[in-house]
Amino acid sequence: AQSVTQLGSHVSVSEGALVLLRCNYSSSVPPYLFWYVQYPNQGLQLLLKYTSAATLVKGINGFEAEFKKSETSFHLTKPSAHMSDAAEYFCAVSDSGAGSYQLTFGKGTKLSVIP
Amino acid sequence: DTAVSQTPKYLVTQMGNDKSIKCEQNLGHDTMYWYKQDSKKFLKIMFSYNNKELIINETVPNRFSPKSPDKAHLNLHINSLELGDSAVYFCASSPQGTLKNIQYFGAGTRLSVL
Repeated sequence: AQSVTQLGSHVSVSEGALVLLRCNYSSSVPPYLFWYVQYPNQGLQLLLKYTSAATLVKGINGFEAEFKKSETSFHLTKPSAHMSDAAEYFCAVSDSGAGSYQLTFGKGTKLSVIP
Repeated sequence: DTAVSQTPKYLVTQMGNDKSIKCEQNLGHDTMYWYKQDSKKFLKIMFSYNNKELIINETVPNRFSPKSPDKAHLNLHINSLELGDSAVYFCASSPQGTLKNIQYFGAGTRLSVL
């Protein structure tokens, strides 16, 4: 079984400050890892993914994440927060199964950006 | 054009009623999913279909029944609605091949059971 733990259900940063959202995973097989973003009253949008290629993954909107196997982590960062980054962020790990890959989500981290 | 579309966007109904939520994807994907997001924003998979065949069926009351008339559609029918069914339901789809892991989500259906 796979699981994801997101540390901090709510993170507040000042506009222009570094964004760091933490994600740790548990998996018995090499994982695929994802970050999704959910803006208010909208569906989930893929920010970036790790699928066993480069360990530093760049995504949309200036976000990036680094896969660290020794720490079982996949933290999301952005050098400078923008007001438009305020949203709910979900880390997810995938499980291979017959015909489809099941995503297991963390409980989400709400990011607030203070002007 | 919306890639994964769900209807309705909002659904308010009384306990005990039966309701359906429709989902359609125009991405040509083979696999579709239903997720439930509770009031604390926790997302949990309910069902997954691959080419109209049920692949994942998590521990969900049998009042919930998915139906896939073709691989572009995955509808969710709920019988005898209960207060605890109130949530946001998301449909998603994913392609085959190396992109299989990437899921594309609809905008969600907010179900309120009174």
